Amino acid sequence: KNEVEQSPQNLTAQEGEFITINCSYSVGISALHWLQQHPGGGIVSLFMLSSGKKKHGRLIATINIQEKHSSLHITASHPRDSAVYICAVRNSGGSNYKLTFGKGTLLTVNP
Amino acid sequence: DVKVTQSSRYLVKRTGEKVFLECVQDMDHENMFWYRQDPGLGLRLIYFSYDVKMKEKGDIPEGYSVSREKKERFSLILESASTNQTSMYLCASSSSSGRYPNNEQFFGPGTRLTVL
Repeated sequence: KNEVEQSPQNLTAQEGEFITINCSYSVGISALHWLQQHPGGGIVSLFMLSSGKKKHGRLIATINIQEKHSSLHITASHPRDSAVYICAVRNSGGSNYKLTFGKGTLLTVNP
Repeated sequence: DVKVTQSSRYLVKRTGEKVFLECVQDMDHENMFWYRQDPGLGLRLIYFSYDVKMKEKGDIPEGYSVSREKKERFSLILESASTNQTSMYLCASSSSSGRYPNNEQFFGPGTRLTVL
């Protein structure tokens, strides 16, 4: 069983919709990352958080450490938001340089 | 802005060839990483380097080696390429205050390697 589970695997939305992508993990962590990967491969870091909530433009990321759960929200979605969104966690013990990745959520936003 | 560059976007090699993938970062980061990404498996760490000439194995080091002779450059080497090494290879870098990095990782654009 993967230590990091994302849901849904695939998500299709209409432009303007509010979108939520979920990430659950089973280990103690020091940080959680949300990454975005557009077709063609390049990965961009959206957020790194260890508690609470962060907001950047239309993107909001929250984390509940007790429940081992994080969500990424996109408000007023746009076709340019279409991408794969990846959750990754850094374990709190041992070799904490290592990131464990979820398998990603493919988001398609139709005009 | 951090810039991480990789030597090729697309590469086609034959089974048994020695393959070099190069990664360069321009932000004086201590840590550099090589990942491969496969459908249904996500990103998996091949090797990690936290300093010049220092390296650690990741989750899937078999069939790969690495070289870090200069701080800005981290090379991934496939000694004898095989078809099961056909994949997307991604390099990343991050800063740290020591051996255990806490800052975000910055990724290169990726190299899609096909081994025939």
